[in-house]
Amino acid sequence: NAGVTQTPKFRILKIGQSMTLQCTQDMNHNYMYWYRQDPGMGLKLIYYSVGAGITDKGEVPNGYNVSRSTTEDFPLRLELAAPSQTSVYFCASSPGGSGYGYTFGSGTRLTVV
Amino acid sequence: KNEVEQSPQNLTAQEGEFITINCSYSVGISALHWLQQHPGGGIVSLFMLSSGKKKHGRLIATINIQEKHSSLHITASHPRDSAVYICAVRASNDMRFGAGTRLTVKP
Repeated sequence: NAGVTQTPKFRILKIGQSMTLQCTQDMNHNYMYWYRQDPGMGLKLIYYSVGAGITDKGEVPNGYNVSRSTTEDFPLRLELAAPSQTSVYFCASSPGGSGYGYTFGSGTRLTVV
Repeated sequence: KNEVEQSPQNLTAQEGEFITINCSYSVGISALHWLQQHPGGGIVSLFMLSSGKKKHGRLIATINIQEKHSSLHITASHPRDSAVYICAVRASNDMRFGAGTRLTVKP
């Protein structure tokens, strides 16, 4: 059982480039989340989804986009990379809302230069 | 002020010592989670609790809902316990995370 799979693990982007961070889960979880983790800070929610076709903004959505065409996949798109987007990104999934824990992916370390 | 505050930020201990990490929160919650993040690794869930106390091996987590406070204890600490421990609270549709406590256990 793979759980939550994130790719790539590392990436260096130049300012203005675009990329997609991939996230796939095989647990049939309805809820999926994207977080960023900056040094000395707690994880901040970028976007989340409560089911296929449904997405919503989190605390720090600017500069990012998401889609949820299937239950399994929740890709995060950076359209015009900026140095402020240098961070570690985590995808997570959960069976439902309150009362359930999260399963996290292994993270993607992104550097924008 | 962050909604979830952890203390201490950094903690160094000798192998065998009893460790306590604290978490205070300021929002209404349905559950509190303790997570572990190893260097270069992902994040794994240790506990989810909404009242009382839970124990798993050498780890014990407690929560006081009235005081909005939780503690994570590690008994007989070991170098392999070295990691960042994160407190997170479940509020509405989302979790709010503390900044983490970096624990280093020296042999």
